[in-house]
Amino acid sequence: EAGVAQSPRYKIIEKRQSVAFWCNPISGHATLYWYQQILGQGPKLLIQFQNNGVVDDSQLPKDRFSAERLKGVDSTLKIQPAKLEDSAVYLCASSLRRELETQYFGPGTRLLVL
Amino acid sequence: SQQGEEDPQALSIQEGENATMNCSYKTSINNLQWYRQNSGRGLVHLILIRSNEREKHSGRLRVTLDTSKKSSSLLITASRAADTASYFCATSGNQFYFGTGTSLTVIP
Repeated sequence: EAGVAQSPRYKIIEKRQSVAFWCNPISGHATLYWYQQILGQGPKLLIQFQNNGVVDDSQLPKDRFSAERLKGVDSTLKIQPAKLEDSAVYLCASSLRRELETQYFGPGTRLLVL
Repeated sequence: SQQGEEDPQALSIQEGENATMNCSYKTSINNLQWYRQNSGRGLVHLILIRSNEREKHSGRLRVTLDTSKKSSSLLITASRAADTASYFCATSGNQFYFGTGTSLTVIP
């Protein structure tokens, strides 16, 4: 069974530029999560999708971050414009259902904003 | 602020010793999970304990949950160098929160 795929693995941009990350969850997994992990901290949930609907985006900075999950499969997370404090690892995870479920994580995208 | 707080922040032990890390949380939960993260990699699920369970075992791992104290502990017995990683608790209730993590170093 293929795991959660993410691309790119690394990205370096200058502040005020835009960037997009892509995630392909495990086949059949209804729930998809995007996390931001700043160095030395635990992952912070940005947004949670159930199929193609948003379940929780309470911690997503909506003035600059956006995410979509078209057709309930792949997902993209965009930052526009980026700030220095957005430097972090962006992790995508998926689970079979929403609650009481193990999450399977991708390798993450390491973003550096200069 | 994040829901879970791990203690200690960092732990260094000799191979073969046991490692214990603790997690405290703030609100009611449905379940609590522990994950491991090796340097520069994604997280790997270790074990899940439901709110109506008090203890769970998986191989060399033992997890306890005390909902009255809003705390959990993860015990790794007979540690190995390969156990060196960061360990996070994650709580699932109305929202999903990860703790701050414990960095474990196992010295060969």
